[in-house]
Amino acid sequence: EPEVTQTPSHQVTQMGQEVILRCVPISNHLYFYWYRQILGQKVEFLVSFYNNEISEKSEIFDDQFSVERPDGSNFTLKIRSTKLEDSAMYFCASRRSALTYEQYFGPGTRLTVT
Amino acid sequence: SQKIEQNSEALNIQEGKTATLTCNYTNYSPAYLQWYRQDPGRGPVFLLLIRENEKEKRKERLKVTFDTTLKQSLFHITASQPADSATYLCALGQAGTALIFGKGTTLSVSS
Repeated sequence: EPEVTQTPSHQVTQMGQEVILRCVPISNHLYFYWYRQILGQKVEFLVSFYNNEISEKSEIFDDQFSVERPDGSNFTLKIRSTKLEDSAMYFCASRRSALTYEQYFGPGTRLTVT
Repeated sequence: SQKIEQNSEALNIQEGKTATLTCNYTNYSPAYLQWYRQDPGRGPVFLLLIRENEKEKRKERLKVTFDTTLKQSLFHITASQPADSATYLCALGQAGTALIFGKGTTLSVSS
């Protein structure tokens, strides 16, 4: 069964450094998402991406964040200058089409900012 | 702003019993509601989706109800097993928008 994959599983970085989190969505899916979950808190939406552009973003997704689909398979989230409060699990998700609403999540990348 | 409440942070039941989890929401009119399972350190796994015009959905031992008047969904796991122990997340959405998640209820099934 196709799965969403994410790399790395764990990333440790120093405050102020740039990080890129990578995701490979399910191959025939058209909608892509990034969510984050701070330890012990709820899953929060960051951004959605469709047809090579951002379709929706939350207040969390400020100028420090960017997303890209550099080729036909990868979907990346870049944080330009990390802060301590960016420490969280970051989940990528994909959705098949406009007519289906269930989202399929990857295993997550644990980002630790020191 | 929208608010989603899941009845309790933790629910403990004995194997074989039915677990019932509640999701209440305010200030929102979802087109659908979804339930996900999340194990520690893992991503949410989709379980069931119910649309605003549906009252009930079933899948194997799982049943979801949706009452848009009460703004509530109930999620039932019948004949629960220790392997059902996990955190269950309620999520709301409208067509084409991102999901809004509740904080989850952690279910523990003891043998």
